[in-house]
Amino acid sequence: KQEVTQIPAALSVPEGENLVLNCSFTDSAIYNLQWFRQDPGKGLTSLLLIQSSQREQTSGRLNASLDKSSGRSTLYIAASQPGDSATYLCAVISGGSNYKLTFGKGTLLTVNP
Amino acid sequence: NAGVTQTPKFRVLKTGQSMTLLCAQDMNHEYMYWYRQDPGMGLRLIHYSVGEGTTAKGEVPDGYNVSRLKKQNFLLGLESAAPSQTSVYFCASSWGGRPQHFGDGTRLSIL
Repeated sequence: KQEVTQIPAALSVPEGENLVLNCSFTDSAIYNLQWFRQDPGKGLTSLLLIQSSQREQTSGRLNASLDKSSGRSTLYIAASQPGDSATYLCAVISGGSNYKLTFGKGTLLTVNP
Repeated sequence: NAGVTQTPKFRVLKTGQSMTLLCAQDMNHEYMYWYRQDPGMGLRLIHYSVGEGTTAKGEVPDGYNVSRLKKQNFLLGLESAAPSQTSVYFCASSWGGRPQHFGDGTRLSIL
């Protein structure tokens, strides 16, 4: 059974700092890995999707990397802003799973002005 | 540009009551999913559908039923609500392995 772990559970940084969020998964036979953002009281918003054959994806100040063999992904946020404060969730689609996502429990990020 | 719409947004039920949560998507997605989100447990898949007229069990299906009579709608039913079903319920839809689009959730309390 696929398990997804996110470390740390919570992170507080000053504005302007670069930061890294970590995600690990137990079964390397994945179809893709997705990073989501969740604001309080809201649904999830997709940030980046990395196919199993890719090493990284970039969108603006966000960069996600994937090392499938070691079961790890990182989400790098450059020049953090207070508006980046949210919970960040990592999820994987395992091969042959009917595209079902398995989620980590998330990292709660607070960026202080 | 509605995306995924969940109805209702909030609901309080008494133990033993029944209700149906409605999810509607306007993106012509084949796949639809129902999750519940609980503190410390993360998001867990309840049921999902790979197309109109199909449903399948997820990780935590007990106590719930679903139907997908129309491609754009996915209904989640609680036949006899229990306090353990107090949660935030999210619906999502997608094209296969593409990013899932989520609704804003239904906050359900069972007293």
